[in-house]
Amino acid sequence: DAGVIQSPRHEVTEMGQEVTLRCKPISGHDYLFWYRQTMMRGLELLIYFNNNVPIDDSGMPEDRFSAKMPNASFSTLKIQPSEPRDSAVYFCASSFVDHRGPAGELFFGEGSRLTVL
Amino acid sequence: QQQVKQSPQSLIVQKGGIPIINCAYENTAFDYFPWYQQFPGKGPALLIAIRPDVSEKKEGRFTISFNKSAKQFSLHIMDSQPGDSATYFCAANRDDKIIFGKGTRLHILP
Repeated sequence: DAGVIQSPRHEVTEMGQEVTLRCKPISGHDYLFWYRQTMMRGLELLIYFNNNVPIDDSGMPEDRFSAKMPNASFSTLKIQPSEPRDSAVYFCASSFVDHRGPAGELFFGEGSRLTVL
Repeated sequence: QQQVKQSPQSLIVQKGGIPIINCAYENTAFDYFPWYQQFPGKGPALLIAIRPDVSEKKEGRFTISFNKSAKQFSLHIMDSQPGDSATYFCAANRDDKIIFGKGTRLHILP
């Protein structure tokens, strides 16, 4: 399997523009997580899905952020309008349920580095 | 109660030394404690994990020590190598909840 695939790897945009980040989880995984990583705050959980259904979006910073998972093989994280403080690396991770539970091992993508000017 | 506190933020060790990274948690409901390793430009990857019913787990040069009564756990890297230079995250997990520490940037000098 190719692992979790994220695109774009790098995105530079201007304040006010819409940003869409994409994720393809590992086939067969039924959990999908979106994280944001910054030096100051580390890894922050934004939202996660189980079987394409959003379970907990309490980490989404504000209404400018939205996430969807229309099917088991695709998810998007959208920021509209973007602001400089949204600059970070955004990770998607997927997992499956085993003896360790649903989040026993998260498989992360390589991330999307977002810079908002 | 959901926090996992990790220290130090950064660490520099000579090759062959034993870096130690410490974590503390508050919620006793957590029942699984993984460590993730992240190299520059990559996503974190599971390195080693422990359950609270054991006090130590060793995999190769990596050892987790777990103190349930103190609600603390730590990662030790034996005979550290420059290739171990990375960011290390501890985490605490129960069911579909996983809370990460803020990470430790480790640099092993050649």
